[in-house]
Amino acid sequence: GAVVSQHPSRVICKSGTSVKIECRSLDFQATTMFWYRQFPKQSLMLMATSNEGSKATYEQGVEKDKFLINHASLTLSTLTVTSAHPEDSSFYICSALEPGLRVYAYTFGSGTRLTVV
Amino acid sequence: GQNIDQPTEMTATEGAIVQINCTYQTSGFNGLFWYQQHAGEAPTFLSYNVLDGLEEKGRFSSFLSRSKGYSYLLLKELQMKDSASYLCAVEGDYKLSFGAGTTVTVRA
Repeated sequence: GAVVSQHPSRVICKSGTSVKIECRSLDFQATTMFWYRQFPKQSLMLMATSNEGSKATYEQGVEKDKFLINHASLTLSTLTVTSAHPEDSSFYICSALEPGLRVYAYTFGSGTRLTVV
Repeated sequence: GQNIDQPTEMTATEGAIVQINCTYQTSGFNGLFWYQQHAGEAPTFLSYNVLDGLEEKGRFSSFLSRSKGYSYLLLKELQMKDSASYLCAVEGDYKLSFGAGTTVTVRA
């Protein structure tokens, strides 16, 4: 089945630095990828929808300049958390939409645990 | 907006049956998904309903009533490994909106 690889799985960074998270579709081309954030014992909150070759669509309340999303190819989307602060510490998950399918259309990456100290 | 409700926690005994309910009020509806998520891991797909009725897949079944905005996930013959969070998600406008998840604890 479809596989989405997310890297890194864990990252600790200092406050004020930037962190890049990669999401790759390994065996299919994903025209659309999604980025979610999940706080402990809470739901996945959609941050943005990323379309290959165009600007990402951000959900209400998500800062575009803080969470930079690039979807430069059909197999890679990146999320960069700029000037990270402790309140950005969370579990970030990407998913990819495989075009043409229905039931198993959304495939999730394994997530990235970000800790800002 | 999207409003998806499911119970926070449920506990059941190994071998038993548990039913997790999900009610939704969303601006669009293209289908309802159930995912299983273990702590610190990504969600894994369990089931998908787009038409009313019951979808059965081994020990897991999912039901949908679009007119009532209601779904349930039925877990049969519970095993210890089924202890996890179960997420109800509604697809609308080609994106998923998730409920807060139901943590199921299976006791021996």
